[in-house]
Amino acid sequence: AQSVTQLDSHVSVSEGTPVLLRCNYSSSYSPSLFWYVQHPNKGLQLLLKYTSAATLVKGINGFEAEFKKSETSFHLTKPSAHMSDAAEYFCVVSDRVEYGNKLVFGAGTILRVKS
Amino acid sequence: DTEVTQTPKHLVMGMTNKKSLKCEQHMGHRAMYWYKQKAKKPPELMFVYSYEKLSINESVPSRFSPECPNSSLLNLHLHALQPEDSALYLCASSQDLGSAYEQYFGPGTRLTVT
Repeated sequence: AQSVTQLDSHVSVSEGTPVLLRCNYSSSYSPSLFWYVQHPNKGLQLLLKYTSAATLVKGINGFEAEFKKSETSFHLTKPSAHMSDAAEYFCVVSDRVEYGNKLVFGAGTILRVKS
Repeated sequence: DTEVTQTPKHLVMGMTNKKSLKCEQHMGHRAMYWYKQKAKKPPELMFVYSYEKLSINESVPSRFSPECPNSSLLNLHLHALQPEDSALYLCASSQDLGSAYEQYFGPGTRLTVT
């Protein structure tokens, strides 16, 4: 079974500084990986996905993630944090099951942006 | 249009009530999902529908009853719920069940069982 580990439960940055949210995955085959964001009391929004094409994936709102097979990592970055980025972020891997595929979520990282 | 809509936004119900949650998508997606999310936790998969047929029930109690009347609509019927069932219920859809297909989530229904 596939799994993901988000290395930080909370990350705090100042507005205008870089954001790094760390995610390691475990997979016995080439994985499909996703980052989702959830603002308070809202649904999940897809930021970006990796499906074995380019290793550097660009997403919405200036976010990007790099797939590193040698490090089994898929860290999410943004050059400059904005107040509106404050939310919870989930790293997700797609796991093959008997009926198709199932999303396996990390525990989440809460991003706080200070003014 | 990548929108999944859910109604109602909020629902308060007693333990003897019967209510339903509704989810709709018009993206032509053939897979639809129900998730339950407790506070400060990631979503937990409850049910998966593919081509309007139930593909998986993740050992969900029978007081939750899903229904897929057509390819755009997914319902979750609730009956005799317990206070611990209070949570955010999320609906999602994807083009199909393959691993490359991302899931699009609705805004959720905040359910409180009193």
